Amino acid sequence: DIQMTQSPSSLSASVGDRVTMTCRASQSISNYLNWYQHKPGKAPKLLIYAASSLQSGVPSRFSGSGSGTDFTLTISSLQPEDFATYYCQQSYKTLITFGQGTRLEIK
Amino acid sequence: QVQLVQSGPEVKKPGSSVKVSCKTSGGTFGRYTLTWVRQAPGQGLEWVGKIIPIIATTNYAQRFQGRVTITADNSTNTAYMELSSLRSEDTAIYYCARDREIIDCSGGTCYSDDVFSMWGQGTMVTVSS
Repeated sequence: DIQMTQSPSSLSASVGDRVTMTCRASQSISNYLNWYQHKPGKAPKLLIYAASSLQSGVPSRFSGSGSGTDFTLTISSLQPEDFATYYCQQSYKTLITFGQGTRLEIK
Repeated sequence: QVQLVQSGPEVKKPGSSVKVSCKTSGGTFGRYTLTWVRQAPGQGLEWVGKIIPIIATTNYAQRFQGRVTITADNSTNTAYMELSSLRSEDTAIYYCARDREIIDCSGGTCYSDDVFSMWGQGTMVTVSS
């Protein structure tokens, strides 16, 4: 299976900050990388697919980049509703894997 | 408006089985892959397996092989995930999710998009003696 490693595991930031988190694959996955936001008690929400494509309805402050093994998710100006856990997921192989998550907390 | 509606919470004894349903309403069913993902308390998201309903093709995570069965009923637009030989570590919220795009069978073999744009509300499964 392809291992997905996210860093950092947790991150403290303030409203208005620019935040970047990373996801690394154990082998090249081209651009088959997706990002999700997950809040307690809610279903996960797709933010970015194919490494850099913004899902319909997602605010433009979210952006993704990368290819091969290294990927980033950036939030340009944090809003109060952005505090959540973020997961990357590879869709390169049929046997899908998620990263362990980056928890974004209020400073 | 497409919605995925899952069955209600379950409490099961160790060693028993649980079957969770996921009904798609308001949209096409068979040509979208349905995936099951779980989240144990304090843990991250974990992929369980998936099904392409129209051809009943399934794939499962290795750690669940032999214990999980995913099926689909195209007449009722409902997918099911059955997990057997339950243990306390299976206590989790189980989500179904639908792909963003329909399956691609242009090359003779069908491939899933594996990008989860729509999710059910989750089903809490508690395994306790």
